[in-house]
Amino acid sequence: AQKITQTQPGMFVQEKEAVTLDCTYDTSDQSYGLFWYKQPSSGEMIFLIYQGSYDEQNATEGRYSLNFQKARKSANLVISASQLGDSAMYFCAMRGGSYIPTFGRGTSLIVHP
Amino acid sequence: KAGVTQTPRYLIKTRGQQVTLSCSPISGHRSVSWYQQTPGQGLQFLFEYFSETQRNKGNFPGRFSGRQFSNSRSEMNVSTLELGDSALYLCASSFGTSGRTDTQYFGPGTRLTVL
Repeated sequence: AQKITQTQPGMFVQEKEAVTLDCTYDTSDQSYGLFWYKQPSSGEMIFLIYQGSYDEQNATEGRYSLNFQKARKSANLVISASQLGDSAMYFCAMRGGSYIPTFGRGTSLIVHP
Repeated sequence: KAGVTQTPRYLIKTRGQQVTLSCSPISGHRSVSWYQQTPGQGLQFLFEYFSETQRNKGNFPGRFSGRQFSNSRSEMNVSTLELGDSALYLCASSFGTSGRTDTQYFGPGTRLTVL
């Protein structure tokens, strides 16, 4: 069975600062994909970034990067230069051998001006 | 390219009724998945359809069903509604051919309230 753990229910960050959102996972699969999504108050889940279990380099997409530590089974999302519009819920997810995605409970990020 | 669309955006129903939700995927995507999101249970996978066939199914009762049409549009039906079915129902589409790397793109959701 797959499991995603996001231990930070809420995070606060000052505008223009960087913030790290934690995600640890548990799986017996050797091949899997890790995803991060952003969900603003409007409800739509927005895809941010993807990391494959065999990817040797950490994924980056603009201001988003994924700090992937395979041995520790962690896939933390780093947001650089936070903006007010980054305030939202952030979900970590994985897809392993069953192909059924598993989502974490999410982290609420609030960016202060 | 147009994103995933879901209709209706909001629904209010009473217990015992049934409801049908609709999802139009991104053009070219053949996989449509449905999720239920509640404050208590978080985001839970309902089922996935690929090329008109249910490919994966989550742990939900048979009251929850779905189908997919030849144009990849999908509908989800909930019969005999219960108060606990009140939730945000999200639809996600993907190419469906990349397995573990298949990235899903979500629609805006349908917020269902059962009174």
